Amino acid sequence: EAQVTQNPRYLITVTGKKLTVTCSQNMNHEYMSWYRQDPGLGLRQIYYSMNVEVTDKGDVPEGYKVSRKEKRNFPLILESPSPNQTSLYFCASSYVLDVSSYNEQFFGPGTRLTVL
Amino acid sequence: KQEVTQIPAALSVPEGENLVLNCSFTDSAIYNLQWFRQDPGKGLTSLLLIQSSQREQTSGRLNASLDKSSGRSTLYIAASQPGDSATYLCAVEAGSYQLTFGKGTKLSVIP
Repeated sequence: EAQVTQNPRYLITVTGKKLTVTCSQNMNHEYMSWYRQDPGLGLRQIYYSMNVEVTDKGDVPEGYKVSRKEKRNFPLILESPSPNQTSLYFCASSYVLDVSSYNEQFFGPGTRLTVL
Repeated sequence: KQEVTQIPAALSVPEGENLVLNCSFTDSAIYNLQWFRQDPGKGLTSLLLIQSSQREQTSGRLNASLDKSSGRSTLYIAASQPGDSATYLCAVEAGSYQLTFGKGTKLSVIP
């Protein structure tokens, strides 16, 4: 089954304790992205990657890191989480039609993170 | 900076009614527009994607239109059902591979 998976689905942690949220897709997509969703603010892009070893910042990259060492995986790293990073996080992936656009995006089920 | 607005924020309709959800965006230079559905506690499901060169897309009871010049898109749902109850999000890609989302319209279809 074609899908985007995220782990963990739920996480409660404390300020300053490094954590990683994994994202994996089995569709051989070039493009992968991370979003956070907050009430009243909607979905905002954190980082995206056009292919292996190619990553770039979205609208709200502060406090996050990403890496793309393999095509299927795109982990999101919070080196020193803070309470304002409490949010619902989504990973997404898609093919790239051409250099200026991309195909429809497929989303993972989400990771609900609480930072105390 | 691209801004996407969805009105209304919430909508309640009786089962069987046809309805239209609206999405507007400030920068008409977009590559594509995508409509998503989000169910509580779940991820986003892609419904329709309209490339900038297209005017509309259809899938079953859903029809999405795009008017780039006026910065508007509509999602038409025919013969609504209780299972259509969800939050509907539109998102535009206006270059640099960034997807900008609206805040969504929460739809409730009453049996």
